[in-house]
Amino acid sequence: DTGVSQDPRHKITKRGQNVTFRCDPISEHNRLYWYRQTLGQGPEFLTYFQNEAQLEKSRLLSDRFSAERPKGSFSTLEIQRTEQGDSAMYLCASTSGQGFTYEQYFGPGTRLTVT
Amino acid sequence: AQTVTQSQPEMSVQEAETVTLSCTYDTSESDYYLFWYKQPPSRQMILVIRQEAYKQQNATENRFSVNFQKAAKSFSLKISDSQLGDAAMYFCASQGGSEKLVFGKGTKLTVNP
Repeated sequence: DTGVSQDPRHKITKRGQNVTFRCDPISEHNRLYWYRQTLGQGPEFLTYFQNEAQLEKSRLLSDRFSAERPKGSFSTLEIQRTEQGDSAMYLCASTSGQGFTYEQYFGPGTRLTVT
Repeated sequence: AQTVTQSQPEMSVQEAETVTLSCTYDTSESDYYLFWYKQPPSRQMILVIRQEAYKQQNATENRFSVNFQKAAKSFSLKISDSQLGDAAMYFCASQGGSEKLVFGKGTKLTVNP
């Protein structure tokens, strides 16, 4: 396993622009999670997928945010009309099963800075 | 709803000494897990240790152990024989009734040589 990868690692954008992040989970992991981590805070859950189905979304995921996982492999998280409050680290995690006994493996994150 | 509270924003320890990081949580779930994650600077988060709520025995992983007090809803992490590589942000997290992890704000651990 090569681990969870995320691209890009850093993104600087101007307010109002759209951005898209990509997450590649560990091979054959069927569950994929997105979290957001702002400065000085712990990660906060955004959404998760089982295969290609998006099963849960946090109320933090406003209408400007959309996530997809076509074909149940990689996932993308898009933020439209970015705001300064969107500046954060966006973390992706994956796991091979359902429930508590399956460890969530995290990627290195994408740090977004909105100027 | 679940909440996790870490009341120590920063802690420091001398190399080879022992340090304890505190965590309290609240949940209405009868079945849940508790975790400690480590996030080194500019590196990805990794799982340090986890505890099943229905198990009374405290989890141990090498130099890392927990003190799980279910009635008090307390879940502290003890790091023995601290090493320079233990320096990181440590996050306490819970998972119950949902797939998502709920994290505390973290404790920054500094290890002094």
